[in-house]
Amino acid sequence: EADIYQTPRYLVIGTGKKITLECSQTMGHDKMYWYQQDPGMELHLIHYSYGVNSTEKGDLSSESTVSRIRTEHFPLTLESARPSHTSQYLCASSEPATANNYGYTFGSGTRLTVV
Amino acid sequence: AQSVSQHNHHVILSEAASLELGCNYSYGGTVNLFWYVQYPGQHLQLLLKYFSGDPLVKGIKGFEAEFIKSKFSFNLRKPSVQWSDTAEYFCAVTMYSSASKIIFGSGTRLSIRP
Repeated sequence: EADIYQTPRYLVIGTGKKITLECSQTMGHDKMYWYQQDPGMELHLIHYSYGVNSTEKGDLSSESTVSRIRTEHFPLTLESARPSHTSQYLCASSEPATANNYGYTFGSGTRLTVV
Repeated sequence: AQSVSQHNHHVILSEAASLELGCNYSYGGTVNLFWYVQYPGQHLQLLLKYFSGDPLVKGIKGFEAEFIKSKFSFNLRKPSVQWSDTAEYFCAVTMYSSASKIIFGSGTRLSIRP
């Protein structure tokens, strides 16, 4: 079954380390997104991509970077992790708007803790 | 397992009609509740949220939602819809016991006839 996969599910890492959060989808969706969510709070869009080699910053400023070299892969990288980066990161993809469906599919999230 | 149910998959209304989109969740503890909207070709945006206090929450663009704890519901309403409200609407819940996890409903597609 087509889906969207995020790894790792949980990550605890020391300050100053470089980390990459992986996100892959098997649905052939052009649009992909990264959201940041603090516990109990709403989502904040930090990055999005409308296709290969397309990346844009979202509504919430983030020190992370993203890349989109392949349609199915949209990794997020923190060059030097800090405790303020502790949060949950959700990846999503969406289909083009059509008459039948333009919904989102979300990954299960990566819970990042920087100590 | 906790879940969020949106009863209507697709709703079609004429302009100026009143809107109510249903949302029910299955969790007996403390929750935070959200409605998100995705306009065609755009990313997900927050319409409104409920954390505590007045159960009637007002959001952007004339939307409001009422939290009825006894019914486990958080229905979205708008008195008079416009063609520009055509979009997909998602209800979402986070639970106090697992606040890092956000659960989304399957979405309701709203089509407004001009």
